[in-house]
Amino acid sequence: AQSVTQLGSHVSVSEGALVLLRCNYSSSVPPYLFWYVQYPNQGLQLLLKYTSAATLVKGINGFEAEFKKSETSFHLTKPSAHMSDAAEYFCAVSERGGSQGNLIFGKGTKLSVKP
Amino acid sequence: EAGVAQSPRYKIIEKRQSVAFWCNPISGHATLYWYQQILGQGPKLLIQFQNNGVVDDSQLPKDRFSAERLKGVDSTLKIQPAKLEDSAVYLCASSLGQPGQHEQFFGPGTRLTVL
Repeated sequence: AQSVTQLGSHVSVSEGALVLLRCNYSSSVPPYLFWYVQYPNQGLQLLLKYTSAATLVKGINGFEAEFKKSETSFHLTKPSAHMSDAAEYFCAVSERGGSQGNLIFGKGTKLSVKP
Repeated sequence: EAGVAQSPRYKIIEKRQSVAFWCNPISGHATLYWYQQILGQGPKLLIQFQNNGVVDDSQLPKDRFSAERLKGVDSTLKIQPAKLEDSAVYLCASSLGQPGQHEQFFGPGTRLTVL
């Protein structure tokens, strides 16, 4: 069965500092991987997705993630945090080739950005 | 392009009452999903429709939850009777539903409080 583990329910960084949000997955087949962001009282917005051989994926708002099969990881990074990045971030996995496209989400990591 | 619409945005009911949520997906999206997001957790899939047929309802508590998508467009999710543990945000999402097209677009959600 697929699962997603996000290490750290809460991460706090200073404005301008590196953002690193960790995600590890388990899947019996190479999966599709996603990062979503959720601002307060809003739905989820797709940041980026991994669906191909390109292991470094660039997304919106300066975020990127690297798929590492050997580590079963898909960590999200941003070189310089901005106050507007404060939100909750969810990593999700979907089974490659699955007809349903069901997403299995991690528990989320809340990012705080200090001025 | 209009996004996924949901109503109401907030609902407060007492336990054992019934409640219904409405979702209108993005035009042309064949696949519609309902997720339950309990505070502090990631979204969990309740039911998935492909056009007006159910693809996956394995995690839907069928003794109290029901959902329909009669004309393959908008959908309603009903809870009857509600329990305290149903307090959550109910998210609707839609996708094109074509092979390899796994991106899901989320609505703003309905926050349900059961007292």
